[in-house]
Amino acid sequence: SQTIHQWPATLVQPVGSPLSLECTVEGTSNPNLYWYRQAAGRGLQLLFYSVGIGQISSEVPQNLSASRPQDRQFILSSKKLLLSDSGFYLCAWSGQVQETQYFGPGTRLLVL
Amino acid sequence: KQEVTQIPAALSVPEGENLVLNCSFTDSAIYNLQWFRQDPGKGLTSLLLIQSSQREQTSGRLNASLDKSSGRSTLYIAASQPGDSATYLCAALNDYKLSFGAGTTVTVRA
Repeated sequence: SQTIHQWPATLVQPVGSPLSLECTVEGTSNPNLYWYRQAAGRGLQLLFYSVGIGQISSEVPQNLSASRPQDRQFILSSKKLLLSDSGFYLCAWSGQVQETQYFGPGTRLLVL
Repeated sequence: KQEVTQIPAALSVPEGENLVLNCSFTDSAIYNLQWFRQDPGKGLTSLLLIQSSQREQTSGRLNASLDKSSGRSTLYIAASQPGDSATYLCAALNDYKLSFGAGTTVTVRA
């Protein structure tokens, strides 16, 4: 069966520091991968999606970036964190775009 | 741009009562409509997916309907239990993008 992992589970970082969040999927090949952010009191916002290695599409201009160095690995990064980057970051995968998305356990990020 | 709205934002019911959660969306050109459950501090769990050509989908005590022309979906949960307490999110898929509502937080009182 397929599983999706995210780490770390929780992260507290100072403003201006770098960020790297990792997501990996097991049990499937060539998945579509997604990064979402859920800010307090708001709905999920799609940040990036990827249909293959090295193929990244950005939904929202911001100081975050994403990379997909391997088929089942998706990384969310920032060179300098802002206070507004605080939130709950969720990674998801799907087999085909029109199929349901399966979500990871999430990373809670607090920027101080 | 797809806008998804969920009403009510919160709901508290006694155990055994049926739940009705509403979702509306502005762009009817959707591939499908999905319902998720989120427990506090956790990721999302997929509950039901309704294809744009379908009118409803059922899984156990859950039933979701879709009226694409009016931009509405409803999630029914029969005979609610305390374990049903969670936030329920609906999401509409256009092209590659899932647009989420803000969710309905349900509390089932024992």
